[in-house]
Amino acid sequence: DSGVTQTPKHLITATGQRVTLRCSPRSGDLSVYWYQQSLDQGLQFLIQYYNGEERAKGNILERFSAQQFPDLHSELNLSSLELGDSALYFCASSVVASGGELFFGEGSRLTVL
Amino acid sequence: AQSVAQPEDQVNVAEGNPLTVKCTYSVSGNPYLFWYVQYPNRGLQFLLKYITGDNLVKGSYGFEAEFNKSQTSFHLKKPSALVSDSALYFCAVRGSMDTGRRALTFGSGTRLQVQP
Repeated sequence: DSGVTQTPKHLITATGQRVTLRCSPRSGDLSVYWYQQSLDQGLQFLIQYYNGEERAKGNILERFSAQQFPDLHSELNLSSLELGDSALYFCASSVVASGGELFFGEGSRLTVL
Repeated sequence: AQSVAQPEDQVNVAEGNPLTVKCTYSVSGNPYLFWYVQYPNRGLQFLLKYITGDNLVKGSYGFEAEFNKSQTSFHLKKPSALVSDSALYFCAVRGSMDTGRRALTFGSGTRLQVQP
């Protein structure tokens, strides 16, 4: 158990809909990262937050947004969903130290029908 | 931009034999290198990392990795493979120059299949 909690584990929805994925980082970790894992694109970095502020952006679509709250949990919002958004979405957290490894949650599997 | 290459989609090895999963990287500054393992329908589990120091890094479950700066490689090794090692392995990198962005860049993954 990495200590990173993600909900829901599975989500099935229709095209055009909006979903919210939730992540609770390990106790004490201030940084949260979101990744998307799909068969054709591999593991893609989406966005990083540190102590409530956006720190870095990766390949995140404009239809997607995220935030980190004062209690350090984070939410990833996916809107106007398309079939191609079907993927496994991972949250990870890390200590604030050079070379700190990321600790990953079990992921949220999104299926868009 | 940083990148990671895992040239083999799949590696097959017999149980008890040594295994190697290859990884090369490209990054600005000194590299911070990581290996992760993913079992079916699970998250990524951290195996080991290289930050500085000894080029041979030991990690979880008997795995080790060798950092080679001149070849920009960080191959994962294990002296004796187990069937339970069968999984998807990811190499990842971050550059020491990335003081703000601490996200890791991952390779495409290598599926390790250990035959009994």
